[in-house]
Amino acid sequence: SQTIHQWPATLVQPVGSPLSLECTVEGTSNPNLYWYRQAAGRGLQLLFYSVGIGQISSEVPQNLSASRPQDRQFILSSKKLLLSDSGFYLCAWSVSGSSNQPQHFGDGTRLSIL
Amino acid sequence: DAKTTQPTSMDCAEGRAANLPCNHSTISGDEYVYWYRQIHSQGPQYIIHGLKNNETNEMASLIITEDRKSSTLILPHATLRDTAVYYCIVRVFSSNTGKLIFGQGTTLQVKP
Repeated sequence: SQTIHQWPATLVQPVGSPLSLECTVEGTSNPNLYWYRQAAGRGLQLLFYSVGIGQISSEVPQNLSASRPQDRQFILSSKKLLLSDSGFYLCAWSVSGSSNQPQHFGDGTRLSIL
Repeated sequence: DAKTTQPTSMDCAEGRAANLPCNHSTISGDEYVYWYRQIHSQGPQYIIHGLKNNETNEMASLIITEDRKSSTLILPHATLRDTAVYYCIVRVFSSNTGKLIFGQGTTLQVKP
């Protein structure tokens, strides 16, 4: 069966520091991968998606970037964090090739910027 | 994007069926209805999805009206662990992304 792992579960970072969040998927090949952010008390916002290695599309302009160095690895990064980057970051995957397949989420990383 | 409207909150007695409604009057013919739930501090959990026929799986049933303008998620025997925020989502059709747009959802409180 397929599983998705995100780490760390929680992270506290100072303003201006770099960020690297990692997500890996097991049990499937060539998945579509997604990064979402959920601000406190609000819905999820899609940040990035990827349909293959090295293929990244950004949904909203922001202080973050994403990379997909391997088929089942998705990384969210920032060079200098802002206070507004605080939130709950979720990685998700779906089967590629069919847009009606559901997305499956990891347990998320709760990021606090001080 | 087709918008969904859900009640803000609902209560349900433990062991009874929970019926969560959703309106999506602007849904287009090729858009699917998805249901997710989010238990506090966890990632959203996929429950079920459908296009126009009713669907059932081990977690829930999805009833979609014939005109597709509304749907109901049914949890047949709610337990305390079903307390969560339930999101009804109409999938933005895209060959690549299938972006999910999460609204505010319905907070379901299952009470003993």
